[in-house]
Amino acid sequence: EADIYQTPRYLVIGTGKKITLECSQTMGHDKMYWYQQDPGMELHLIHYSYGVNSTEKGDLSSESTVSRIRTEHFPLTLESARPSHTSQYLCASSPRGQSKNTQYFGPGTRLTVL
Amino acid sequence: QQQVKQSPQSLIVQKGGIPIINCAYENTAFDYFPWYQQFPGKGPALLIAIRPDVSEKKEGRFTISFNKSAKQFSLHIMDSQPGDSATYFCAASMEYGNKLVFGAGTILRVKS
Repeated sequence: EADIYQTPRYLVIGTGKKITLECSQTMGHDKMYWYQQDPGMELHLIHYSYGVNSTEKGDLSSESTVSRIRTEHFPLTLESARPSHTSQYLCASSPRGQSKNTQYFGPGTRLTVL
Repeated sequence: QQQVKQSPQSLIVQKGGIPIINCAYENTAFDYFPWYQQFPGKGPALLIAIRPDVSEKKEGRFTISFNKSAKQFSLHIMDSQPGDSATYFCAASMEYGNKLVFGAGTILRVKS
């Protein structure tokens, strides 16, 4: 079982607030990802990282930002939350090289912006 | 074209039935095809994966069939159980790529 953690699990917040969603993994994986999951299930990649100090935007445009200062930590920040940011946010990690692109997912953070 | 098309969107079967979920892709550079299973309130978890050098792979009650010429692959669940009720995602990537391309997901319900 993969060890990847996300906090908080649920967050209800007012419009305009700054929030940070935490993601940590203890597997030493180089690659990490953030996905936004619609109520309709589809997974949209919004950010990814190949390693420390490396971040890239994903396929879905997002107003969020990410940082990767430590291998195990990949937080996502929204400077000013809006109702359109209401969604499920999933973090994942993947080892470099072996196992190709097997991604291990955290349990997700369900964000509601009022 | 990076898209992976998954069908059906939802599926209901009786216990013991064999649900089949299909996926199709366009990019011939894809060479890794995993399936993920997601239960409510949880993140997706890797179920089974296949590479295009084989046409079929079985792990327990789960089987992937792969048709390279048709650029299609499918998941079969043998002797399905109510505990298999979940959302299933197919995905694809290139061997040395950094991203998975996911299908839209299939909600499976197995009735007891």
